[in-house]
Amino acid sequence: GQQVMQIPQYQHVQEGEDFTTYCNSSTTLSNIQWYKQRPGGHPVFLIQLVKSGEVKKQKRLTFQFGEAKKNSSLHITATQTTDVGTYFCAVLTGANSKLTFGKGITLSVRP
Amino acid sequence: ETGVTQTPRHLVMGMTNKKSLKCEQHLGHNAMYWYKQSAKKPLELMFVYSLEERVENNSVPSRFSPECPNSSHLFLHLHTLQPEDSALYLCASSQEGANYGYTFGSGTRLTVV
Repeated sequence: GQQVMQIPQYQHVQEGEDFTTYCNSSTTLSNIQWYKQRPGGHPVFLIQLVKSGEVKKQKRLTFQFGEAKKNSSLHITATQTTDVGTYFCAVLTGANSKLTFGKGITLSVRP
Repeated sequence: ETGVTQTPRHLVMGMTNKKSLKCEQHLGHNAMYWYKQSAKKPLELMFVYSLEERVENNSVPSRFSPECPNSSHLFLHLHTLQPEDSALYLCASSQEGANYGYTFGSGTRLTVV
């Protein structure tokens, strides 16, 4: 099945800095979803991208789907301590809506 | 509350015990899922139920037995577990074909002793 890769698994930033992370695949993806899991919490759906080159924004978060639909990026402008957590990308495959997750990137923000 | 409720929140069980995890969704979704999340592995899909029928079983050991009596309820029956089965077990639901993602419950933190 389709797999997505997220590297690195951890990143530390100073509050106020921008943060960008990527999700990569060796095959063309039909869609990509992003989730956020706060420490001690559960994954929460953020966004779904389906079109080549699609860009969506949620306040300080910008999500982009690559032109070739083999990668996606999440950019956070001026990070805040509330951005702390693990960000997962995931791809929905098959007729039964099977969602396969990447390993995630855990973001820590120094105040 | 997310609309997906899991009980219990925490569970400690011995390797010879039998216990069940419960999940209930109040969103009118037609698909439900069990995921396992352990410290060093990504979210692992265990089971998929679509319209109350099991459509996916991701090579999960038989000591885990799912049950979906109706579209709102999902159970995971556990027996003779191993310490390596200790993990966060997450239930999720979705509406197949819709353009939004899964809704996860808060999970059951399971410790096998």
